[in-house]
Amino acid sequence: NAGVTQTPKFQVLKTGQSMTLQCAQDMNHEYMSWYRQDPGMGLRLIHYSVGAGITDQGEVPNGYNVSRSTTEDFPLRLLSAAPSQTSVYFCASSPILSYEQYFGPGTRLTVT
Amino acid sequence: AQTVTQSQPEMSVQEAETVTLSCTYDTSENNYYLFWYKQPPSRQMILVIRQEAYKQQNATENRFSVNFQKAAKSFSLKISDSQLGDTAMYFCAFMNPNNDMRFGAGTRLTVKP
Repeated sequence: NAGVTQTPKFQVLKTGQSMTLQCAQDMNHEYMSWYRQDPGMGLRLIHYSVGAGITDQGEVPNGYNVSRSTTEDFPLRLLSAAPSQTSVYFCASSPILSYEQYFGPGTRLTVT
Repeated sequence: AQTVTQSQPEMSVQEAETVTLSCTYDTSENNYYLFWYKQPPSRQMILVIRQEAYKQQNATENRFSVNFQKAAKSFSLKISDSQLGDTAMYFCAFMNPNNDMRFGAGTRLTVKP
């Protein structure tokens, strides 16, 4: 049981490049979410999903896309990276109605 | 929109003593969930304690307890018998029934030997 895994751990992008941050969980959790954490701030919700085929926007969705084709995977796509997207990204999952989220180890993304 | 405010950017406490971290939030919802998360230097987010708004009884987990004041929209965390391993960032968080989660800016707690 690996819990929530995220790849890569670190990534450097140039402005305008695209990439996908991967998130997977093996706990059969319905709820998955993406957050970003900037210095001096708490985590901010980007997108979330309450099940396969269902996604919704959080507090800061602009510049990011998500899809949820399986229960296990919830990738986050940056279509055209900007320096403002330099941050640490966390993926989390939880059973519906439990509200206890399990977080991945995070991905540190730098956009130059 | 919901907001979460942690008014103490940094705090310190002597080992074995008690410390209380403050958190207030703003919402028009009646049913929601509140959380305290710990983030040590490893960056891993760890759930410390959670509270359902419909429960009047304050949640307790070993040395950690909360003082939940629904009318005042206050949710403070008390850490008793502080240990060196409690040194971390602590985040207060709010989740509404639509699964929209908001975090405070955090309190950096240092436990001194």
